[in-house]
Parts: sequence; structure tokens; C-alpha cells
Amino acid sequence: NAGVMQNPRHLVRRRGQEARLRCSPMKGHSHVYWYRQLPEEGLKFMVYLQKENIIDESGMPKERFSAEFPKEGPSILRIQQVVRGDSAAYFCASSPPQGMGSPLHFGNGTRLTVT
Amino acid sequence: DQQVKQNSPSLSVQEGRISILNCDYTNSMFDYFLWYKKYPAEGPTFLISISSIKDKNEDGRFTVFLNKSAKHLSLHIVPSQPGDSAVYFCAASVGGSQGNLIFGKGTKLSVKP
Repeated sequence: NAGVMQNPRHLVRRRGQEARLRCSPMKGHSHVYWYRQLPEEGLKFMVYLQKENIIDESGMPKERFSAEFPKEGPSILRIQQVVRGDSAAYFCASSPPQGMGSPLHFGNGTRLTVT
Repeated sequence: DQQVKQNSPSLSVQEGRISILNCDYTNSMFDYFLWYKKYPAEGPTFLISISSIKDKNEDGRFTVFLNKSAKHLSLHIVPSQPGDSAVYFCAASVGGSQGNLIFGKGTKLSVKP
């Protein structure tokens, strides 16, 4: 998992607050993906971004969730007005430009707890 | 509707023996399959993958077998080592895209010394 940096590792928010999760991809990787893992579940795709572009957001909830990957700086997953059901592990992954044989490299995740 | 299923939540194997982890899928459009390994409090680590044009891929102690007619793949680890104890996730994608991976729920492997 070395290379994809996520912070914070743990985040506690009260219902109604905002959560911001950050992800810096591996060096040389221009593609970032966000996944969410609920307890006892597999990872679920949320969004795929390149610099300044959202390529696929088919897994993003329609409300309260947004993601960006600016020209400079890390990718940000933002959750507004958090609810208890948002408690989960959020994993970021990166890859070089897509093609067969370029598996995703994941970070160690941010564990969000909503109280 | 689960498109990728790992029906065994857990598996226990003796050190030195073979571990076989299974995965079934329902979407015939999947053309790329991956196995990831995950330790507690860490992110998934890529292990091995296979394209749908192949039926076997081998990397050291790890071999993945794909049976397209049965929509089934398996991961063989031989010989198993205590350090292999982790949760193993099967994942699949369409069009060779690694971005939108569909994951199974995982199988927890315990390798006993």
C-alpha cells in the first residue's frame, strides 16, 4: 500500500457536520478512485477522477457526496451533513493511465465514524 | 443484486497445505478479474489478475483459474503460510477497466502453524 496516502486515518464527526477525506495518489499516477466499505461488506465503487475531471461517478450517492481532483493538491471526497449510515471505511486507489495490467493501488483508508 | 459472490466467509488451512478460495460471478460481460488481499486496518493489496482470454495465471505460490462457462474463478495458494492469513477479495470489471471494480464480500483465510 506504500505510495497512496490518505488522511486522516480516522475521522469522527457528529451528525450534520461535514467530512473531508484526502487522497494523494502514487507518484506518476494520474487516475484516482474512491471506494467505500461498509462493515461485513466488500468495497463499493463510488467515483473515478482524473485531474480536474470526473470520469465516472455512477457509484456516488445523489446527495451530500462530492469529489474533486484539482490540478494541484490531493483528491478530496466531501460528505456534507453526515448521517450515521455514512460510517464506513473509505479507500482511495490510484493507477497510471488505464489499460490491461494496471491494477489499482489502494491507500490504507479513512475510517469515518458518525456519532 | 450481487454480481460477484464469495460464498465462503471464512476458510481455515494448515500451514504447508493448499488454500483454495472461490468466487462466482453473474455478469457475462466481465472480462478482467483480480484478487486482492487485505490485512486489518490496511487497504487491499493487489495479488494477481486474469483476463477472460486466459484460463490460468500463475505468480509464485499464487495461481488463479478462470472457468468462463461456469462463471467461476478460484485462487490457489500453495504452500500456504501463516503470513497469508488475511481477507481475500475477488473483483471483476468490464471492458478492461480497472476503475469500476465490482468486489465480492471477501473470504477470511486463517493459516494455522
